[in-house]
Amino acid sequence: DQQVKQNSPSLSVQEGRISILNCDYTNSMFDYFLWYKKYPAEGPTFLISISSIKDKNEDGRFTVFLNKSAKHLSLHIVPSQPGDSAVYFCAASAWTTSGTYKYIFGTGTRLKVLA
Amino acid sequence: DAGVIQSPRHEVTEMGQEVTLRCKPISGHDYLFWYRQTMMRGLELLIYFNNNVPIDDSGMPEDRFSAKMPNASFSTLKIQPSEPRDSAVYFCASSWGLLWEQYFGPGTRLTVT
Repeated sequence: DQQVKQNSPSLSVQEGRISILNCDYTNSMFDYFLWYKKYPAEGPTFLISISSIKDKNEDGRFTVFLNKSAKHLSLHIVPSQPGDSAVYFCAASAWTTSGTYKYIFGTGTRLKVLA
Repeated sequence: DAGVIQSPRHEVTEMGQEVTLRCKPISGHDYLFWYRQTMMRGLELLIYFNNNVPIDDSGMPEDRFSAKMPNASFSTLKIQPSEPRDSAVYFCASSWGLLWEQYFGPGTRLTVT
């Protein structure tokens, strides 16, 4: 049962255009969401996050949008650059009833920015 | 800081052998996480520690897996005995707090034949 889904395994975008990566979740208890970027043979690196009390967070070329009613978040990259080519993971987190914190990652979307 | 350090980077072993993966977190980080990445399931959280104490190990797949953190600068993930289905990339990550971003190591690619 995949609680965090990234339904597009891959995406190709022309350099300079907008890249939109999508993520859906099923558990309404998730209250904090993060995006990570991963290059081959490296560990994921943090990109941007958003709390459930917000619907948008911006950091330079990266913007994350959260639609709680639809249980959907998206990452916008504008303008896309060849160096953005990587695998992008979304992650959702929440406190559990047992008092621990749960992180669930999606399976990732491979973004390719074409020069 | 050198970042999170993991060793070995690659491990090839035969089914039934014991495997030990090692991690050195970033100094000053109170939380340490172990993840497993596979094509089918993506990144799965196996266990996390707070101040060297295991907090949640519900992601550990079975009793063959164990993790320890004897001090603030070292953690191990052990698989005994290993099986081919354990083949994956294992990541260690650390952070200042649960809601802070996690810093990942480069991972250990484990192949069990």
